[in-house]
Amino acid sequence: DAGITQSPRHKVTETGTPVTLRCHQTENHRYMYWYRQDPGHGLRLIHYSYGVKDTDKGEVSDGYSVSRSKTEDFLLTLESATSSQTSVYFCAISESSNQPQHFGDGTRLSIL
Amino acid sequence: GEDVEQSLFLSVREGDSSVINCTYTDSSSTYLYWYKQEPGAGLQLLTYIFSNMDMKQDQRLTVLLNKKDKHLSLRIADTQTGDSAIYFCAEKDNQGGKLIFGQGTELSVKP
Repeated sequence: DAGITQSPRHKVTETGTPVTLRCHQTENHRYMYWYRQDPGHGLRLIHYSYGVKDTDKGEVSDGYSVSRSKTEDFLLTLESATSSQTSVYFCAISESSNQPQHFGDGTRLSIL
Repeated sequence: GEDVEQSLFLSVREGDSSVINCTYTDSSSTYLYWYKQEPGAGLQLLTYIFSNMDMKQDQRLTVLLNKKDKHLSLRIADTQTGDSAIYFCAEKDNQGGKLIFGQGTELSVKP
C-alpha cells in the first residue's frame, strides 16, 4: 500500500468550528489531492497541490482552504464548518499528473 | 462539462462473470481508471487503460475501451464473494491530473 496516513480517521464537531484534516505521505510524490465522497456523487475534487506551496482549486472548493508547506503534508481546513460539509474525505497522491492516484483510508467528518 | 456515468447496482452469482459499464464525455481523456472500494476503506487502484488501447487484461480483469462510443467496461471473470464492493470508473482531466469519478457501481456476489 502507498504510504498515506490521514488523521484524524473520525471527527465529530459543531457547526461554526474550524476543522483541519491532515494527509501525510512517505512516498515523496509531487501531487496531492483532497476529495470528498457523498452518496450519489462519487468522489469530487476539493483542492489539489502540484508541489510545495503550489495549490489549485477543484470542483467543490468553496468553504475549504489548503496548505502544503512540506512535500509530505497536505492540510485541508474548514474555516467554519457547516452541516453540508459532513462527508468522508479522502487524500490521494501521485508521482506526476500522468501517474495513477493512490488513496488514503479516509476521514469520516460529522458536523452537527 | 465532463461527466462519468455508471449504473448503480449489479448482482451476480459466484463463479459467473461480472461486467461493469461506464460512459464518459471527455474525448480528450488520456487515461481511464477502475478503482475498488470495500466498506469503510479507501479506494484501491485495480487497473487503468491508456486511451490509445482497446483492451487490457490483468489476471481475472479485462478492460475494454470503445473510444468512438466513449464506453469503458470492466469484466471480472470467475467472480468471488470477495469481489463484492463498489467499483468506480474515473477519467483523467488534462489539467493537473485531476480525476472525474462516476457514482460507483455496487457489485453484490451471491454464493
